[in-house]
Amino acid sequence: QQQVKQSPQSLIVQKGGISIINCAYENTAFDYFPWYQQFPGKGPALLIAIRPDVSEKKEGRFTISFNKSAKQFSLHIMDSQPGDSATYFCAATRSGSARQLTFGSGTQLTVLP
Amino acid sequence: DAGVIQSPRHEVTEMGQEVTLRCKPISGHNSLFWYRQTMMRGLELLIYFNNNVPIDDSGMPEDRFSAKMPNASFSTLKIQPSEPRDSAVYFCASRQGTGGLGEAFFGQGTRLTVV
Repeated sequence: QQQVKQSPQSLIVQKGGISIINCAYENTAFDYFPWYQQFPGKGPALLIAIRPDVSEKKEGRFTISFNKSAKQFSLHIMDSQPGDSATYFCAATRSGSARQLTFGSGTQLTVLP
Repeated sequence: DAGVIQSPRHEVTEMGQEVTLRCKPISGHNSLFWYRQTMMRGLELLIYFNNNVPIDDSGMPEDRFSAKMPNASFSTLKIQPSEPRDSAVYFCASRQGTGGLGEAFFGQGTRLTVV
C-alpha cells in the first residue's frame, strides 16, 4: 500500500522558473510532513517540513503548501537554480512510531542553466 | 559531529555470500533506522531501534535479513545468504528522541551489488 503518492516522477525547468512537486497521503494519522533533498551519491537531507495546522510554510525559495481536507501537500521552488537539481522526496510521519518516515516515490528535478 | 557514518560505501559480493553493513549513529541520538532504496520500490523502512531495542522489523523482507544494535553507537544489517535482488542502496538514519519532531539524519549509504 503506497501511503504517500508523489508526482511528477521527473521535472525539467529552466533556471529562474518555478518547480512544483505534489504529494498526497492516505493515512489521517500522519501529523508531520517533511521534504527531503537527495543529491547523487548522498543520503537524503531534510529541506523543509510542515505540520497540518498551518496551510503554508516558507523558507527562502522553498515553500510547502498544505491542504488538510484534500490530504495533499506540495513543494514549490521559486527562482529554481541549477544547484537545485536533485531528487526530492516528500514524506509523512506520525507520533508513536519514533517518527519513522514514509516516503513518496521521489521526483528527479533538473534545472537547466 | 561527523554525522551518521556508514561502511562500507560500496560492496560487491557474490550470490550466497554473507554481507554485513555497518552504521555509527550521531552521538546522543537514540532512534536508529535502516532504509533501503531501489528504483522500483523507492525508499522503504526495513527496521528501527529505540534505545538500542528493535521496535518494528515488519519491513525486513525475509529471514535472510537481520539487524542488531549492541550499543548506542553501533548497528549492523546482515544479509545471509545474499541474492541479486538484494542489490540496492542501504541507508542508516538516526534522530534524537523517540518522539517529538527532531530531524532524522541520514548516512551516505552503502551501495550493495550482489552478482
